[in-house]
Amino acid sequence: QKEVEQDPGPLSVPEGAIVSLNCTYSNSAFQYFMWYRQYSRKGPELLMYTYSSGNKEDGRFTAQVDKSSKYISLFIRDSQPSDSATYLCAMRRAGGTSYGKLTFGQGTILTVHP
Amino acid sequence: ETGVTQTPRHLVMGMTNKKSLKCEQHLGHNAMYWYKQSAKKPLELMFVYSLEERVENNSVPSRFSPECPNSSHLFLHLHTLQPEDSALYLCASSQIIFYEQYFGPGTRLTVT
Repeated sequence: QKEVEQDPGPLSVPEGAIVSLNCTYSNSAFQYFMWYRQYSRKGPELLMYTYSSGNKEDGRFTAQVDKSSKYISLFIRDSQPSDSATYLCAMRRAGGTSYGKLTFGQGTILTVHP
Repeated sequence: ETGVTQTPRHLVMGMTNKKSLKCEQHLGHNAMYWYKQSAKKPLELMFVYSLEERVENNSVPSRFSPECPNSSHLFLHLHTLQPEDSALYLCASSQIIFYEQYFGPGTRLTVT
């Protein structure tokens, strides 16, 4: 079983839709959760960084963490064509040693069409 | 220059060639990383340096050799690669090891 599972999609939605991207994980030791956005031919860009269970909002983006279910989500409201990208979830344990290295999901390809 | 830069952006090399990838971070960070990104696979951590000391080597074949001369620069030396090494190689940096990581644009490597 993979430590982090992410549906690779692809996911295609019309402009203005609410998008839900999800990851599940098996390691209860993960404490920090991140979402990265990667445009074609670019490196990943950090979008959201969360620690505890609950919601964190930043503009049109909301990150949700449910540690009891080992499930994280990224919601995009009023999606735009410029949101078309691959979205990667990542997570790690606490600590600054190799114990705390990032584990990534496979990435979900999102296309928002006008 | 801002953020994390990588050169070259694209590289085609034969299996007998020797080449190097370069990464430079302009963020004042203390940790730097090399990742490999292959199609339909999660990002794979290859090497980690903290304050110029290597702290992680994820069983990477010896045909990949990292070098970190100072906290701003990171190299990946390549020799006698295999076609399956073709991938996007990403460099990243963070202020504290394994905390928020910032990525460069990557080098798209093709081994023929």
